[in-house]
Amino acid sequence: ETGVTQSPTHLIKTRGQQVTLRCSSQSGHNTVSWYQQALGQGPQFIFQYYREEENGRGNFPPRFSGLQFPNYSSELNVNALELDDSALYLCASTSDSGNTIYFGEGSWLTVV
Amino acid sequence: KQEVTQIPAALSVPEGENLVLNCSFTDSAIYNLQWFRQDPGKGLTSLLLIQSSQREQTSGRLNASLDKSSGRSTLYIAASQPGDSATYLCAVNSGNTPLVFGKGTRLSVIA
Repeated sequence: ETGVTQSPTHLIKTRGQQVTLRCSSQSGHNTVSWYQQALGQGPQFIFQYYREEENGRGNFPPRFSGLQFPNYSSELNVNALELDDSALYLCASTSDSGNTIYFGEGSWLTVV
Repeated sequence: KQEVTQIPAALSVPEGENLVLNCSFTDSAIYNLQWFRQDPGKGLTSLLLIQSSQREQTSGRLNASLDKSSGRSTLYIAASQPGDSATYLCAVNSGNTPLVFGKGTRLSVIA
């Protein structure tokens, strides 16, 4: 039990649509990061938020955006979905003092 | 740019065997190295974290070593069990940078 919950667990979208994925992390974990994991690949960093501000971004286009809220929840939004966006999207959180990163179970997105 | 490579990509062993998974990284200026386990269709579970000043960490039947100068880490699993079957991922970071992952080693332990 990592204390990080993600929703939905699975969803199917059509190319061109928009999707919002949600994450709830542990109380006191001010850093949340999102990763994309394609089938057979390692997770790739999308972006990171600290106290509701984006403070790091990977090599992903602007149609990937996020929000972090004061209640330790966060969102990943993807606009204009493409077939290659099909992947497992993982949310992870860390506390200010700890090294340990806690991952959620992920949201499986299929774009058809 | 940090790159992480894991060898082998897949491994199948009989139950009870000891095994070693390998991880290499290109930039030795790391802060942490972590090993994760991922069951099919699931999220990541942290197994062991080695800080840059450490050489190894142990948890039960698992032992991870780190050689920063050569850019290598190994995960040793003793007396493997069918329940150990999963994908094992290695990841590194430097300070506040995000984790950079390898592609993982898919392990099957046959009863």
